[in-house]
Amino acid sequence: DAKTTQPPSMDCAEGRAANLPCNHSTISGNEYVYWYRQIHSQGPQYIIHGLKNNETNEMASLIITEDRKSSTLILPHATLRDTAVYYCIVRETSGSRLTFGEGTQLTVNP
Amino acid sequence: DTGVSQDPRHKITKRGQNVTFRCDPISEHNRLYWYRQTLGQGPEFLTYFQNEAQLEKSRLLSDRFSAERPKGSFSTLEIQRTEQGDSAMYLCASSLTVNEKLFFGSGTQLSVL
Repeated sequence: DAKTTQPPSMDCAEGRAANLPCNHSTISGNEYVYWYRQIHSQGPQYIIHGLKNNETNEMASLIITEDRKSSTLILPHATLRDTAVYYCIVRETSGSRLTFGEGTQLTVNP
Repeated sequence: DTGVSQDPRHKITKRGQNVTFRCDPISEHNRLYWYRQTLGQGPEFLTYFQNEAQLEKSRLLSDRFSAERPKGSFSTLEIQRTEQGDSAMYLCASSLTVNEKLFFGSGTQLSVL
């Protein structure tokens, strides 16, 4: 699976949009971009995934660049409960595993 | 709640003892995964099952580790002759098919003294 690069930490004000970047410059055509988050003392939680097109669900939006070498996870109105480590993962369509990096610690401040 | 269930939540053991963890996946999920996570790091893949077949094992899974999923439902992860380096959070996850999202349990926190 392709390697991803994320900033180690970010801060965001409550109520504002949180934009979390991810670089995956070696991604190949059959690899999806997945985002998970992990709140302290809990298991990771799925957020969203995409291949080429931008995606949106009730939790977040995923913006993938046209060349697919980077993506941004957007939490439109961050709350204190969104404070967590966010993992960007690239996974083959038939991949057997998710390979986690160290993620981005997002802290939402009141 | 019909999510992934792990038992126990916490386990403290002495070095050299054997420990066993249990994972109950979401009903009807064919795939079951074990991960290990140490403080400040992302989860590391250990192994996964499709139904009762163990299809892949990480090199992290030394011969002291064994995982089973005898009837394709719950799974156990056993660590024999525990070492202090085995102290970690052990996470279980399940998914319906190969491309589906993974649902994680809350993990078992192992402390080896």
